[in-house]
Amino acid sequence: AQSVSQHNHHVILSEAASLELGCNYSYGGTVNLFWYVQYPGQHLQLLLKYFSGDPLVKGIKGFEAEFIKSKFSFNLRKPSVQWSDTAEYFCAVNAKGSQGNLIFGKGTKLSVKP
Amino acid sequence: NAGVTQTPKFRILKIGQSMTLQCTQDMNHNYMYWYRQDPGMGLKLIYYSVGAGITDKGEVPNGYNVSRSTTEDFPLRLELAAPSQTSVYFCASSLDVQETQYFGPGTRLLVL
Repeated sequence: AQSVSQHNHHVILSEAASLELGCNYSYGGTVNLFWYVQYPGQHLQLLLKYFSGDPLVKGIKGFEAEFIKSKFSFNLRKPSVQWSDTAEYFCAVNAKGSQGNLIFGKGTKLSVKP
Repeated sequence: NAGVTQTPKFRILKIGQSMTLQCTQDMNHNYMYWYRQDPGMGLKLIYYSVGAGITDKGEVPNGYNVSRSTTEDFPLRLELAAPSQTSVYFCASSLDVQETQYFGPGTRLLVL
């Protein structure tokens, strides 16, 4: 069965610090990869996605993620975080050929101190 | 273009009561999904639909039912509410099976 692991439950950073959130998945086949963000009191929004092509993908608000197939990883990065990045971040995977249901990680809560 | 809308936003149920969570999308998406989000657990798929008249179980379907009579609507039914169903419920839709899913604002349900 597919699963997604997010290594950090809660990350606390100061503004301007660099961010890297880990995401690993377990599935032997071809996958689509997503990062969603949930700001306090809001619904999930797509941050970025990888379907194929360049493994380094850029998303909204300065976020990027790199797909490393050999490591089954899709880590999220941002060079300089802002207070407004305080949110919960979810990594998700669906297997190509599946019915599209996303398998989510448990989420990483990011708190940015002003 | 409202995207995915859900009603109600919040509801308190007594054990054994029933209710329907409404979900509507105006993007003409074929695929629709219901997830539940429990604290620290991410989202888990309850049911999904690949088109009007076609539904199938996800990872955690017990205690729920769905129907899909139109492309736009995908209601989720709780017949006998239990405390274990206290959660936040998200509806999502996508144009195609491998495309990005768009989420609604969620329904917070408390069963006492």
